[in-house]
Amino acid sequence: NAGVIQTPRHKVTGKGQEATLWCEPISGHSAVFWYRQTIVQGLEFLTYFRNQAPIDDSGMPKERFSAQMPNQSHSTLKIQSTQPQDSAVYLCASSIGQSNTEVFFGKGTRLTVV
Amino acid sequence: TQTVSQSDAHVTVFEGDSVELRCNYSYGGSIYLSWYIQHHGRGLQFLLKYYSGNPVVQGVNGFEAEFSKSDSSFHLRKASVHWSDSAVYFCAVSQGTGSKLSFGKGAKLTVSP
Repeated sequence: NAGVIQTPRHKVTGKGQEATLWCEPISGHSAVFWYRQTIVQGLEFLTYFRNQAPIDDSGMPKERFSAQMPNQSHSTLKIQSTQPQDSAVYLCASSIGQSNTEVFFGKGTRLTVV
Repeated sequence: TQTVSQSDAHVTVFEGDSVELRCNYSYGGSIYLSWYIQHHGRGLQFLLKYYSGNPVVQGVNGFEAEFSKSDSSFHLRKASVHWSDSAVYFCAVSQGTGSKLSFGKGAKLTVSP
């Protein structure tokens, strides 16, 4: 079990460019989450899928952020027209079952917008 | 407003000391409470959880946490810390089955030799 795999581990983009982050959840896990972590804001929930269907995207900045889960083995987070304030560590996580209390996190993608 | 509050952002203890990391929440209804640990440069790892039953729950590596409904708290404790326990600890709340996890700001624990 390789755990939740996130690629790339580090990404640098220029202001205004697009960034796509990839996540491979643990096989058999039905829920996939995206969080953003910064020193100032801490861990911010972005969005959540269950059985590939979007359940809650209440944390997503609506204009430039989008997330998809085209199949059960991967999810993507896309940020269009990146801004310096998008710089953060983006964490993907997955869980099995309904309670979502034991969630397995990937190592994250550190996005730096210059 | 629903919140998860961790009052101590930084805690420093010596190896062998006991430690308590505090977590208070303001949520109504049924909730799931949990603690996660994040070592430097790594993702979060699950430590323990509570939903119902015995208010004291045991986790990995000697950690335990106690739920108090009257205090709206779920404090994490360890009787004797090791240097490898140095990490950031996050308290999390999930409101009901299938809901997202909401995290506190975290508490950085530093264990000195």
